[in-house]
Amino acid sequence: DTGVSQDPRHKITKRGQNVTFRCDPISEHNRLYWYRQTLGQGPEFLTYFQNEAQLEKSRLLSDRFSAERPKGSFSTLEIQRTEQGDSAMYLCASSSAGTSGRALLFGPGTRLTVL
Amino acid sequence: GQQLNQSPQSMFIQEGEDVSMNCTSSSIFNTWLWYKQDPGEGPVLLIALYKAGELTSNGRLTAQFGITRKDSFLNISASIPSDVGIYFCAGQRQGGSEKLVFGKGTKLTVNP
Repeated sequence: DTGVSQDPRHKITKRGQNVTFRCDPISEHNRLYWYRQTLGQGPEFLTYFQNEAQLEKSRLLSDRFSAERPKGSFSTLEIQRTEQGDSAMYLCASSSAGTSGRALLFGPGTRLTVL
Repeated sequence: GQQLNQSPQSMFIQEGEDVSMNCTSSSIFNTWLWYKQDPGEGPVLLIALYKAGELTSNGRLTAQFGITRKDSFLNISASIPSDVGIYFCAGQRQGGSEKLVFGKGTKLTVNP
């Protein structure tokens, strides 16, 4: 296992369509995070899982956004009825428990463009 | 929104020069992290700091966790062209939330 992987790397969709992204964390990591990054900004927190439990969600995560981690391994982030403002890089990160778990390791991201 | 003030926003330096950038907050943090991001890629962890006053090096990079727990700096010595990229500070606030808060980044350009 060489790191966090995300699929797809790029997604172009039309406004109003639904999209789903997948994240595979580092295998021994029980914590998984989703962040969103727009141009010229740092990543912004969306949600956090410990194993399969979703423990924290940002106000940025509107009701059109849903994230799951059904078996405590991979995670999916779905955006329904996409809007142009959803265009961004969606980053997944994972970490282990404990103090060192505060240092998140990020995947390469999924670049979403909504036309 | 962002709660970390990162400066400078951008730097243009000559190869071989040293670089310094910093991050400040109005809140107390229990963790400071520094990441580097290349275009189209995710952030890569450079240095993690967990204790006030901690000074940690990673090759030519050195970072410190400020004693007040409200700031951190990153130094890069003897810069090389591959140091080009955007450097982000990130921190975890004291108080229980697991989320990291990021600065807006420092864009570094190194002229050979």
